[in-house]
Amino acid sequence: DVKVTQSSRYLVKRTGEKVFLECVQDMDHENMFWYRQDPGLGLRLIYFSYDVKMKEKGDIPEGYSVSREKKERFSLILESASTNQTSMYLCASRTGSSVGTEAFFGQGTRLTVV
Amino acid sequence: SQQGEEDPQALSIQEGENATMNCSYKTSINNLQWYRQNSGRGLVHLILIRSNEREKHSGRLRVTLDTSKKSSSLLITASRAADTASYFCATGGGSNYKLTFGKGTLLTVNP
Repeated sequence: DVKVTQSSRYLVKRTGEKVFLECVQDMDHENMFWYRQDPGLGLRLIYFSYDVKMKEKGDIPEGYSVSREKKERFSLILESASTNQTSMYLCASRTGSSVGTEAFFGQGTRLTVV
Repeated sequence: SQQGEEDPQALSIQEGENATMNCSYKTSINNLQWYRQNSGRGLVHLILIRSNEREKHSGRLRVTLDTSKKSSSLLITASRAADTASYFCATGGGSNYKLTFGKGTLLTVNP
């Protein structure tokens, strides 16, 4: 059974804190993604990675960074958390393919910044 | 920027009826996917249709793709209360790495 696991289901952090959201997949997938989901805005891509140590900015990278030191792990880092980063964060992974493949999602991390 | 846009934003039907959701996108794609999200959970993949396909079926799901109109539709037949969820289309194209989602359609199936 394929699995994408996010380290926390719920998280509360203070403004200005450095926050780490961890995502681990056990499918040996090349591609990994971080999205945030807000009411009325759908899923917006923050960063994605197509290989170890490789990353590309998505549509809303400001205020975030990522790390992919091992193939199975993709971390999202909020350098200095702000209240406008309160959101649901979703991690996904999929295998690389020239014709497209399905993505597998984690259960989500609901982050509240106070 | 978001590639796909679902329509309608919300849909409420009775159990047993069919539900149709539409997705429009802007640039060329090599495939289009549909996902379901139950409240507060992660997304689950439903079906993928490639740009050279026009129609695809999976159980009670039927997906069509019209690349000339840059649109797709998802039909759920004989809906059940358990189909209540948000449905998203996602497009992959260009580099193929990027997977871009729309804002979703919230489907409510009333028993």
